[in-house]
Order: sequence, then C-alpha cells, then structure tokens
Amino acid sequence: EPEVTQTPSHQVTQMGQEVILRCVPISNHLYFYWYRQILGQKVEFLVSFYNNEISEKSEIFDDQFSVERPDGSNFTLKIRSTKLEDSAMYFCASSEGREVAGINEQFFGPGTRLTVL
Amino acid sequence: SQQGEEDPQALSIQEGENATMNCSYKTSINNLQWYRQNSGRGLVHLILIRSNEREKHSGRLRVTLDTSKKSSSLLITASRAADTASYFCATDSLTNFGNEKLTFGTGTRLTIIP
Repeated sequence: EPEVTQTPSHQVTQMGQEVILRCVPISNHLYFYWYRQILGQKVEFLVSFYNNEISEKSEIFDDQFSVERPDGSNFTLKIRSTKLEDSAMYFCASSEGREVAGINEQFFGPGTRLTVL
Repeated sequence: SQQGEEDPQALSIQEGENATMNCSYKTSINNLQWYRQNSGRGLVHLILIRSNEREKHSGRLRVTLDTSKKSSSLLITASRAADTASYFCATDSLTNFGNEKLTFGTGTRLTIIP
C-alpha cells in the first residue's frame, strides 16, 4: 500500500542552524502539507502546497520557514535558523485532492522528531 | 476559528469493552476525520465522515456526526490491547485552492487494560 515517507526520523541540531526535513508524498497525490506537534500538544497546521506554490500557511509559518518540491517526488520543509521552540514532531501529509477523490483524505508520514539544542 | 476538542482527555477500559470518544468543533465543516497516534509515532487515518453523513462504520469502528450540535463520536467495539493510543478528530477548512487544511483536537488518550 502506498505511504508517505519522511527522513530523517530524528534530527538534532544546534540553535541557529538550518535544517531540511524531507518527505516523499504518495505518488499520485496533488496536495501536500506540513504539520507539527510540540510534545504533549495538538497537531498544528503549518502550510499547504499545490501546483508548485503555497496555497495557505498558518501564523506559525513565518519567514524562517520555506517549502519546496525540488523534483517530482520530494517535498521539503526548511527552517532557516532554528530556535529552541521549533523542537517538535513534524509531519508531512498528502492527499489526492477534492477534484479527484471528492473528499480530502490526508495521509500522514511517520514524522521527523526535531530537537533543537 | 475552528477548534476540535475531544473528551474525555483520557479513558481507561478493560479489554473487550467498548470505548467511546467525543469531539466537538465550532465552525461549519466539509468532513471530519479520526486519526490514531501511538506514543511518539505518526498519525494513522482511521475514518472520514462527510458533513452530509450521520453515521459510518469501518470494522470495529463506528463514527457518528451531528452537525446541528457540531459534534462527533468514535466508538471502538470489543477493544483490544493494541487499541491503546491517542485518538484525534480533525476537521477541515477550505483553503483558497480547495485543498482542506486540517484542524486537530487535543486528543483522547485511550488505555486498554488487558
């Protein structure tokens, strides 16, 4: 069964460093998302991406964050200068899109645990 | 803004019993989805119910939706130890391009006692 994959599973970085989190969405999906979950808190929407551009972003997704689909398979989240409060689990998700499936069932990857020291 | 709130926050039951979790939200939705998360792991999609549906079944799962009360319930019948996890409801919100972002609730931590 197709699944969303994410690498690395755990990333440790120093405050102020840049990190790139990688995701491979399900191949025929058109919509891509990043969410994050700070330990013990709810899952929060960061950004959605369609047709090679951001379709919506939350207040969390400030200028330190960027997303990219560098090729036909990968979808990346870059944090330019990490802060302690960026420590969280980051989830990538993808969906076929309403036009194709009629509903928006989002499939999530296993997550990348980011620890900022 | 939309907000999903589940109750109870934590639930412990004996294996074999049924578990019921509830979710409330504040604004109109297109769909409501339930996800499971094992400790420190990813989110597993369980079931989606559309706003024009009132009940849906999938295996041991039964989901109801009451849009007039802006609430949903997830029933797991004949619970098993492997059902121990956190359960989240997630509601959608139309974005500019029609791909809905999800707003998650705070979750119910379900523990099945063998």
